[in-house]
Amino acid sequence: DARVTQTPRHKVTEMGQEVTMRCQPILGHNTVFWYRQTMMQGLELLAYFRNRAPLDDSGMPKDRFSAEMPDATLATLKIQPSEPRDSAVYFCASQRGPSGTDTQYFGPGTRLTVL
Amino acid sequence: AQSVTQLGSHVSVSEGALVLLRCNYSSSVPPYLFWYVQYPNQGLQLLLKYTTGATLVKGINGFEAEFKKSETSFHLTKPSAHMSDAAEYFCAVSEINSSASKIIFGSGTRLSIRP
Repeated sequence: DARVTQTPRHKVTEMGQEVTMRCQPILGHNTVFWYRQTMMQGLELLAYFRNRAPLDDSGMPKDRFSAEMPDATLATLKIQPSEPRDSAVYFCASQRGPSGTDTQYFGPGTRLTVL
Repeated sequence: AQSVTQLGSHVSVSEGALVLLRCNYSSSVPPYLFWYVQYPNQGLQLLLKYTTGATLVKGINGFEAEFKKSETSFHLTKPSAHMSDAAEYFCAVSEINSSASKIIFGSGTRLSIRP
């Protein structure tokens, strides 16, 4: 049963520290999304990639957030420096292709707490 | 640009009662519509989707939704609620442009089931 995996599942850190979250998309999926979920804002799209190239990162605070796909099996989301307002659950999702009809498969999320 | 509006952030029904979660969309082109479900401490998973063809779409766990173009609606229903249906439900529309497609999620509806 193919799944999107995310590490770590939980992260507690102090303000100012660097945080790196990792995602392994489903093998063969060429589109990867990063979302952030909070009680106040709901589910927000931060960035997404197709064939490892960034297509849209307009939802991401550019000054502190960065997203990359070093290879087809790994996507990373980095926050440097982290702030308490970054506390949220971060989800990665992957999709087989570019079609608007394709299903997104979500990972279990990384729960980030910034103290 | 496409958007979705979910009416009611919280819906509570008795076990065995009809479940109705409302979703209205806005789209200048024929939409692709989705319902996703999120169980506690998990990522989202697809319940059902409408792309083309039959307007009544059946999904997993006994849920179904009907695409009504005249009403710009895609309400989710289940004839008889089960305790295991307690979760958050997200309506979504696929935003398609010439180079990419992404999903626009609604704000979510939390479904509670009373014994």
